[in-house]
Order: sequence, then structure tokens, then C-alpha cells
Amino acid sequence: DTVLTQSPALAVSPGERVSISCRASEGVNSYMHWYQQKPGQQPKLLIYKASNLASGVPARFSGSGSGTDFTLTIDPVEADDTATYFCQQSWNDPYTFGAGTKLELK
Amino acid sequence: QVQLKESGPGLVQPSQTLSLTCTVSGFSLTSNSVHWVRQPPGKGLEWVGAIWSGGSTDYNSALKSRLSISRDTSKSQVFLKMNSLQTEDTAIYFCTRPMGITRGWFAYWGQGTLVTVSS
Repeated sequence: DTVLTQSPALAVSPGERVSISCRASEGVNSYMHWYQQKPGQQPKLLIYKASNLASGVPARFSGSGSGTDFTLTIDPVEADDTATYFCQQSWNDPYTFGAGTKLELK
Repeated sequence: QVQLKESGPGLVQPSQTLSLTCTVSGFSLTSNSVHWVRQPPGKGLEWVGAIWSGGSTDYNSALKSRLSISRDTSKSQVFLKMNSLQTEDTAIYFCTRPMGITRGWFAYWGQGTLVTVSS
């Protein structure tokens, strides 16, 4: 299975820029997607196919990368962005998720 | 609008069978796939399996021997059955519909249903 590796946690101040990385154990083409999950809620799609902004998602969120290395960037970070962010690939079977990066605001 | 809603027993005894239903609206099961994803409390997300628009299924290899996904298109319902449940199967179970015909991304999610495996 394709393993997706994310850093476990980050802490930033409101107004700063933050980059969350996701590294795949094998190539996933551009089929990397990003989700935001707040406690007690279902995941919410932010970015699909590496760099496409999902409907209704603020332009503060952006994605980049291809192959095995991908990045989700939030600029500027707002207080409401406190959440866990997951990457997910759908190029290789089975679909897999990263363990999540917990974003905290200082 | 697209909606998915999971329902199920909440509490299942070890070694018993879990039965969950995902009731969908706003789209057709014969034109879209539905996937199940689970999340143990405080942990990450795990893809469980899928039923595709044509009715074929795919399962997580780690769960395949215990898992069955089916559907009733007339009722717009998808069913998950998992037998021989253990405490490690305690999780929130989500049903989700992807965008994209193949290799899709999960644009629509149900609210999830918590399943606790305990005697």
C-alpha cells in the first residue's frame, strides 16, 4: 500500500503562512487530495488533484506538488483554521490517507 | 443537494457482525460510487471499501475476509457488513461519495456513525 507521511503537528500565529507536507512512498501522479477535519466533524475537501481548490474553499488555501511530494499552504492563517489536515491519494489501490497534521494557533 | 447519512447499532459485541446503512439523496447509485472510510477515536482515516456504479466492489485487503458491501438502488441505500468484530474495529464509520469517475476525491461525506465494539 502507498504510505503517506505527514508531520504530526505544527503551531503558527494568526496571519502567518504555513506549509503542511505529505510525502508518498511511491508516485501518485497528481492524485493527491487534502482534507480539513475539526473535532466532531466529518472531513472537508479542501484541495483535489494536488492544486485544485474545492468549491467554497477560501483562496487562502493552496496546494502544490506532483509525484511523491506535496504541500498544502495556508496564507494567511486564521484562527478558524485550527484543525487536523489529512492528505489522501487515489492513484494507487487501495486509496490511503496520511496520519494527519494537527495545526494549532499560538 | 447531495447528502449521505449513516445509520447503525452504535454498540456491537465482540465476535458479532456489524451492519451499517448509508442512505443517500441527490444522486444516483447507478451513476456514482460510494465508499466507506473509518476513523478510530483520536486517530487517522482508513479506507474500508467501495461499491462502484456498476455494482462491483473493492475492499481494503486487511478487512476483505470479513467485509461485504452491497446496495439497494431502489431505496438509494448502501450497506456495509463486517463480521468477527474486535475492539480494534471501534471507530466512526463514514460513507462518502467521490467526484471523478475513477481515482476520485471525496467531495461529499456523511456525518459518520460511531461504532463501539464492547461486551
